[in-house]
Amino acid sequence: QVQLQQWGAGQLKPSETLSLTCAVYGEPFSGYYWSWIRQPPGRGLEWIGQINYSGSTNYNPSLKSRVTISLDTIKKQFSLKLSSVTVADTAVYYCARDPDHYGSSSYGLDVWGRGTTVAVSS
Amino acid sequence: QSVLTQPPSASGTPGQRVTISCSGSSSNIGSNIVNWYQQLPGAAPKLLIYRNNQRPSGVPDRFSGSKSGTSASLAISGLQSEDEADYYCAAWDDSLIVFGTGTKVTVL
Repeated sequence: QVQLQQWGAGQLKPSETLSLTCAVYGEPFSGYYWSWIRQPPGRGLEWIGQINYSGSTNYNPSLKSRVTISLDTIKKQFSLKLSSVTVADTAVYYCARDPDHYGSSSYGLDVWGRGTTVAVSS
Repeated sequence: QSVLTQPPSASGTPGQRVTISCSGSSSNIGSNIVNWYQQLPGAAPKLLIYRNNQRPSGVPDRFSGSKSGTSASLAISGLQSEDEADYYCAAWDDSLIVFGTGTKVTVL
C-alpha cells in the first residue's frame, strides 16, 4: 500500500526559502502526478502545483513566481521550494498523489501525506 | 482564492440526510470532473468521492455525489457522529486544481 512521508523545516523567517520533501513508499513512482497543497490555519485548501514522473510541472498562477517543484526518481521523492516566504505562507503543507496520467485530477488526489506545519515569523 | 463556493456550514441529527452544494463555473465544474474530500479534525484530507459520483474502496455508501451544469452536490444519508468533519469539493480548471471554500458538517 502506497504511503507518502514528508518532512522539512517547520520554522522560517520572512524572506527565507521553504523547502519540503515527500517520499513515496510501496508503489512505483512513475505513471502518476505528484501534488503539493497547503492549508493556512483555520482556512481551506490551496493547490500549489504538481509534477509528473518525467518532470513536467504545473503551478498555481498565484504562487508560480516563487514555487519550484522537483523530483528524484531514484529516491522516489519529490520536493517543494517556495522562495521569499512571508507570514501569509504559514500553513500546513501536504503532498498527495494524482493517479490521472494527464494530471487533471479526474480520479482525485487519492493518497495524502500527513502534513508538515510551517510557521513563518520574525 | 477559492473559485468553488460552498456553504460554510451544515448540520443534522443522527440519521438525517445532509446535502452540501458546490458552485463553480464553465471553466471548472462545467467542463471537468468533481471530486470531494473529507477532512476530519486534525487529519489530512481524504478522497471521499471521485469522478463526480464514484466512491473509493472503503467509503460507506451513505456518501453520494452528483453534478449538474456548473454545480455539484455531496449528500450524506443516515448521518453519523463520525461524519462530523470539513468537506471540500475540487475540480480541474485550466491547468490547476481548484478547491471549494469548505463546509463544516456538525452532527447535533
